[in-house]
Amino acid sequence: DIQMTQSPSSLSASVGDRVTITCQASQDISDHLNWYQQKPGKAPKVLIYDASNLEIGVPSRFSGSGSGTDFTVTISSLQPEDIATYYCQQYDNLPFTFGGGTKVEIK
Amino acid sequence: QVQLQESGPGLVKPSETLSLTCTVSGGSMKGYYWDWLRQTPGKGLEWIGYVYFSGVSNYNPSLKSRATISLDTSKNQFSLRLSSVTAADTAIYYCARTPGPAKGWQKFDSWGQGTLVTVSS
Repeated sequence: DIQMTQSPSSLSASVGDRVTITCQASQDISDHLNWYQQKPGKAPKVLIYDASNLEIGVPSRFSGSGSGTDFTVTISSLQPEDIATYYCQQYDNLPFTFGGGTKVEIK
Repeated sequence: QVQLQESGPGLVKPSETLSLTCTVSGGSMKGYYWDWLRQTPGKGLEWIGYVYFSGVSNYNPSLKSRATISLDTSKNQFSLRLSSVTAADTAIYYCARTPGPAKGWQKFDSWGQGTLVTVSS
């Protein structure tokens, strides 16, 4: 299985801050990576697909980049509604696998 | 806008079979992959498997052949059966949709709200 490692596991930032979360794959997955946002008590929601494409309806302050084994998702200006846990997911190989998550909190 | 809703028992005894159904509304099942995933505090998010609208299925080997996903397009439903459950199968179970294998479509783009299943005697 492809292992997905996210860092940090949690972070605290102020409203308006730029926030970056990283995800590393255990082998080359090209751009076969999605990012999800999960708010407490809710199902995950796709934010970014194919490493850098914004899902319809997702605010433009979210962006994704990377290819191969190293990926990032960035929130350009953190908003209170962005409080959530973020997960990366690879679909290069079965079984699909997820990172362990990054919990984002407001300082 | 497609909507998915899980249903099934919230409590299952050890060694028995967990059975869940996902009802799809607001859209057709044709042309899509229909997935089951689960989430636990310890193991995080885990993909269980999918069934394609043709009936072809694929599973996570970690479940050691205990999972079966089936489709009933006449009812707009798909189901999960997980046999020989243990406490380690206690989780929130989600059903989800993948639009397809092509570029831009391999993502879980619609999810059910999730249902907690506890394995306990």
